[in-house]
Amino acid sequence: SQTIHQWPATLVQPVGSPLSLECTVEGTSNPNLYWYRQAAGRGLQLLFYSVGIGQISSEVPQNLSASRPQDRQFILSSKKLLLSDSGFYLCAWSGGTGAAYRGLEQYFGPGTRLTVT
Amino acid sequence: RKEVEQDPGPFNVPEGATVAFNCTYSNSASQSFFWYRQDCRKEPKLLMSVYSSGNEDGRFTAQLNRASQYISLLIRDSKLSDSATYLCVVDSNYQLIWGAGTKLIIKP
Repeated sequence: SQTIHQWPATLVQPVGSPLSLECTVEGTSNPNLYWYRQAAGRGLQLLFYSVGIGQISSEVPQNLSASRPQDRQFILSSKKLLLSDSGFYLCAWSGGTGAAYRGLEQYFGPGTRLTVT
Repeated sequence: RKEVEQDPGPFNVPEGATVAFNCTYSNSASQSFFWYRQDCRKEPKLLMSVYSSGNEDGRFTAQLNRASQYISLLIRDSKLSDSATYLCVVDSNYQLIWGAGTKLIIKP
């Protein structure tokens, strides 16, 4: 069965510090991968998606970047965090490969709760 | 108009009651519809997909109304463990659009 891991679970970082969140998927190959952010009491906002190694699409302009160095590894980064980067960061995967499969059901990791102080 | 809209609630419902909530969507070309459940401070988990003919999974029934562009979720014989936020998800232009969720509180 498929499993998705995220770490760390919680993180408190000062403004201006760098960020690196990692997500790995097990039990599937060539998944589509996604990074979302959820602000308190709000819906999920898609930040990035990836249909393959090295292929990253950004949905919103922001202070963050993403990379996919391996098929089942997805990394979210920032060089300098802002207060507005605080939130619940969720990594997800879906079956199918390619942009046309982004409408399939997605499965989430446990998330990272980031507080920027 | 938001692409996916839900009543935020909370819906306060006594244990054992039936509760239903709707979700409206704006893109008439949408093809995929889902309900997710999110517990407090946890990740969303897929509850059920919503098919054109409607579908049922135990106490949960999902319906799709394409003419009026909404999907619904019905929970029968509600349990305390059903307390959560229910997220409506609709595909639009090959990506999933997430509603902000409806909070459900089941009271003993």
